[in-house]
Amino acid sequence: NAGVTQTPKFQVLKTGQSMTLQCAQDMNHEYMSWYRQDPGMGLRLIHYSVGAGITDQGEVPNGYNVSRSTTEDFPLRLLSAAPSQTSVYFCASSYSTRRVGYEQYFGPGTRLTVT
Amino acid sequence: GENVEQHPSTLSVQEGDSAVIKCTYSDSASNYFPWYKQELGKRPQLIIDIRSNVGEKKDQRIAVTLNKTAKHFSLHITETQPEDSAVYFCAANTNSNTGKLIFGQGTTLQVKP
Repeated sequence: NAGVTQTPKFQVLKTGQSMTLQCAQDMNHEYMSWYRQDPGMGLRLIHYSVGAGITDQGEVPNGYNVSRSTTEDFPLRLLSAAPSQTSVYFCASSYSTRRVGYEQYFGPGTRLTVT
Repeated sequence: GENVEQHPSTLSVQEGDSAVIKCTYSDSASNYFPWYKQELGKRPQLIIDIRSNVGEKKDQRIAVTLNKTAKHFSLHITETQPEDSAVYFCAANTNSNTGKLIFGQGTTLQVKP
């Protein structure tokens, strides 16, 4: 299993540009999520999904869109990049039932710089 | 809203000493409490977790305790080693049966040789 994969690893954008961060998992996990990590702020939840066709907002959703058309993929779209979106982005996935367990597996991260 | 507070933000210990990191959570329905370790430039990885039906869990040099009444849980690392130096995050689930986690702000642990 590849686990959770993310592309690209690094990206530089100019203010106002849009782009999509890709995330895929091959563990048949129902739950997928996006976090951003900034110094001293921990891991803040942007958006999450409990299954194909179902998404919801996390703590910091403004400026980001998501969709979940398949179980495997959960892309994150930046609509109009701003310098405040400079961060490291992590995708994570897990099962979503107590019986199986909630361990979240993280992707390797995408380091995004907006100038 | 849902919140997880983590203290301290930084912790420096001598090799061989113990380290304790504490977290509090706000959602009384939370029933799963994982701890993640993140080395510099790497992704967070699960090191131990505890469910609400137990008060303590150990795995070699690490242990986690949970006080559901007080909504506190703690990570204990004994006989610390330089390779324990990393950022540690606590988390609590919310919206039961979705997998959603809320993370604390993180603790940077430095173990001095």
